[in-house]
Amino acid sequence: AQTVTQSQPEMSVQEAETVTLSCTYDTSESDYYLFWYKQPPSRQMILVIRQEAYKQQNATENRFSVNFQKAAKSFSLKISDSQLGDAAMYFCAYRSAYSGYALNFGKGTSLLVTP
Amino acid sequence: DTGVSQDPRHKITKRGQNVTFRCDPISEHNRLYWYRQTLGQGPEFLTYFQNEAQLEKSRLLSDRFSAERPKGSFSTLEIQRTEQGDSAMYLCASSLGGKYQPQHFGDGTRLSIL
Repeated sequence: AQTVTQSQPEMSVQEAETVTLSCTYDTSESDYYLFWYKQPPSRQMILVIRQEAYKQQNATENRFSVNFQKAAKSFSLKISDSQLGDAAMYFCAYRSAYSGYALNFGKGTSLLVTP
Repeated sequence: DTGVSQDPRHKITKRGQNVTFRCDPISEHNRLYWYRQTLGQGPEFLTYFQNEAQLEKSRLLSDRFSAERPKGSFSTLEIQRTEQGDSAMYLCASSLGGKYQPQHFGDGTRLSIL
């Protein structure tokens, strides 16, 4: 099974600043999908951004963008102009294009946003 | 609200009892997933339905666990003879077809075993 590693258990950023959350994954597959999900305290998990492995262009969604390095198996999330509402657990997830429909999640990074 | 709905939000039970959780997916979604999330961990996949067919089951889904999705609508997850290790948040998600489609999650059911 593919493993997803988020090496930063906690990160902190000041309001209006930029922060980057790291994610690496282990796979032998050439095609797959990568996702970042946000889970605010006691609230449901929501999709932040997604990336198809065969697309070289990095995905962007407003203040959120990714740096997808396929050879390095790295998928980092950059949050620009951080807002208090960005405070949450962020999970990186992998989904195979070949087998199964499960999302394989990392352990998450807790993001604290300070005024 | 047309999101994924889970019931109950919190279940407290004694060890050895049976519990059942319900998930109502987004109405047009034909795929439904169950995950388990323990403290400090990301969600772990349990099982997946396409319409009423259960197509995938994780090794985490022991024989004490059973899931159903009658008529391809709502789903239930039952745990028999609960154990301390079953204490977790149980998340349900649904999606449209295609692996690039995002999974939409419910608020989860938190199970506490006394």
